[in-house]
Amino acid sequence: DTAVSQTPKYLVTQMGNDKSIKCEQNLGHDTMYWYKQDSKKFLKIMFSYNNKELIINETVPNRFSPKSPDKAHLNLHINSLELGDSAVYFCASRGTEQFFGPGTRLTVL
Amino acid sequence: QKEVEQDPGPLSVPEGAIVSLNCTYSNSAFQYFMWYRQYSRKGPELLMYTYSSGNKEDGRFTAQVDKSSKYISLFIRDSQPSDSATYLCASSYSGAGSYQLTFGKGTKLSVIP
Repeated sequence: DTAVSQTPKYLVTQMGNDKSIKCEQNLGHDTMYWYKQDSKKFLKIMFSYNNKELIINETVPNRFSPKSPDKAHLNLHINSLELGDSAVYFCASRGTEQFFGPGTRLTVL
Repeated sequence: QKEVEQDPGPLSVPEGAIVSLNCTYSNSAFQYFMWYRQYSRKGPELLMYTYSSGNKEDGRFTAQVDKSSKYISLFIRDSQPSDSATYLCASSYSGAGSYQLTFGKGTKLSVIP
């Protein structure tokens, strides 16, 4: 069973479109995250939710909106996609240790 | 100064070599230290997790934390081609601040057969 899963794995879209990435964890963790990894492999935190409440909101354009319908899910919606949004987006969840999902490779054309 | 500094490499070693990967951190409040391994086009995978100073061993991997010098190390003994990956160190606070991990930029390791 996959501990942290994300869909889709690949996302190719045009500039200006709106897209969503979904994340689910079956670890029973209270805390979930979204990270962005750029072409240089640097992992940058975007958001963190603890028990469905937003606790970390780094300097991210407000085109990015996370939503946590329940403790096991944290989705990321992106409006008006730009070229610079192209990256790999990782979801993660944390109890004592932090586990990452497989990533969603977003390409904006 | 970034809170966690890591030499990005790349680092290339022959199979069987001992590999030493290192990070420094600036925030003395960090209490938890982790090493992640990331294969190409995959998510980071937790390798080692330590709390405070000292050594922790798991098979061919040893994680070492020296809080006095704010130095984090990962040693890989008898390195294998399958160890070729990017290795990321990470640190966090304890208690209420422990929600956020601060990552280094990662060191790309290649183990040559």
